[in-house]
Amino acid sequence: DSGVTQTPKHLITATGQRVTLRCSPRSGDLSVYWYQQSLDQGLQFLIQYYNGEERAKGNILERFSAQQFPDLHSELNLSSLELGDSALYFCASSAGTSPTDTQYFGPGTRLTVL
Amino acid sequence: GNSVTQMEGPVTLSEEAFLTINCTYTATGYPSLFWYVQYPGEGLQLLLKATKADDKGSNKGFEATYRKETTSFHLEKGSVQVSDSAVYFCALFYGNYGQNFVFGPGTRLSVLP
Repeated sequence: DSGVTQTPKHLITATGQRVTLRCSPRSGDLSVYWYQQSLDQGLQFLIQYYNGEERAKGNILERFSAQQFPDLHSELNLSSLELGDSALYFCASSAGTSPTDTQYFGPGTRLTVL
Repeated sequence: GNSVTQMEGPVTLSEEAFLTINCTYTATGYPSLFWYVQYPGEGLQLLLKATKADDKGSNKGFEATYRKETTSFHLEKGSVQVSDSAVYFCALFYGNYGQNFVFGPGTRLSVLP
């Protein structure tokens, strides 16, 4: 158990809808990272937050957004969903600001868009 | 741009066999290199890392050496166990911002008893 929790575990929705994925980092970790893992694109970094502020942006679509709250949990919002958004979404956390710090991954949320 | 290439899987070995999973990278400058492992139904776990040339990362019997001259970071283990069955991802990080975190496609390893 990494100490990172993600909810829900599974999510099934329709095209055009909006969903919110939630992540609680390990106790004491200030950075949260979001990743998308899909069959065709592999594993891609989406975005990083550190202590409530956006730190780095990767291959995140404009339809997607994220935030980190004062209690350090983070939410990833996906809107105008398309079939191709079906994927496993992972959250990870680390103590510091650098992505080279050891990141601890949650179990993931599997999103299916029908 | 930055990229990571891994050997195609799946790789199937018998228990106690020697493992090598090849990884080569393309990057400007000197990236940090990582191996992550993903067990069935779980998230990724950092297996080992190396942050500069000639560094050797090691953990749980796995090793990888950062070779700048061949731009490689091959993963090795002398004697695999059934419990090592998983997907292994090679990754690099370059720069101060996470958009330069790049993963390879992953190599699935199956170890048979």
